[in-house]
Amino acid sequence: KAGVTQTPRYLIKTRGQQVTLSCSPISGHRSVSWYQQTPGQGLQFLFEYFSETQRNKGNFPGRFSGRQFSNSRSEMNVSTLELGDSALYLCASQKGLGTEAFFGQGTRLTVV
Amino acid sequence: SQKIEQNSEALNIQEGKTATLTCNYTNYSPAYLQWYRQDPGRGPVFLLLIRENEKEKRKERLKVTFDTTLKQSLFHITASQPADSATYLCALDSGGYQKVTFGTGTKLQVIP
Repeated sequence: KAGVTQTPRYLIKTRGQQVTLSCSPISGHRSVSWYQQTPGQGLQFLFEYFSETQRNKGNFPGRFSGRQFSNSRSEMNVSTLELGDSALYLCASQKGLGTEAFFGQGTRLTVV
Repeated sequence: SQKIEQNSEALNIQEGKTATLTCNYTNYSPAYLQWYRQDPGRGPVFLLLIRENEKEKRKERLKVTFDTTLKQSLFHITASQPADSATYLCALDSGGYQKVTFGTGTKLQVIP
């Protein structure tokens, strides 16, 4: 079966712009989580959605937001981009609680 | 606050030896502990999951131990190969509607 798909793979944006990233989970997985990965901080949890509801949120400013659609696809949005937002953004889907997370390839965002 | 520590930034070992990676945590009561492998520029890939009531789990050349008293997990790769070179992440999962928290990872280099 198809894995987790993230689009686009690479993005270059200018400071102050906004960006939307997309994630399609594995079929049948209703939980989708988003992470930011930088060399210094490792994988930082952004938020998790289940059945269109945000269940958990990490310690990120309000510029970072997300949503989940009825087909479980998810999007995350970052507004007013800052240089420090440059990172690999990873999406993961899970079948249920306490199960393995399947990650996408990630979106490499570069803010210039 | 919750903290996960993985041993050293990089671990170099000779091919054929056993690699042992450490994951220590504080202020956390995980129901599950997971190990992932991540190659550069790619998303993490699930390797093993161990539950709080399990002491040890094996899968082919991989072995994970989980000591909830010491708040530590050890991850072993026996008969290591250059293809095992990657970053290995441990992740804690409370099992409830809580976020999965990842350590910063240990970079393993297997030298031929």
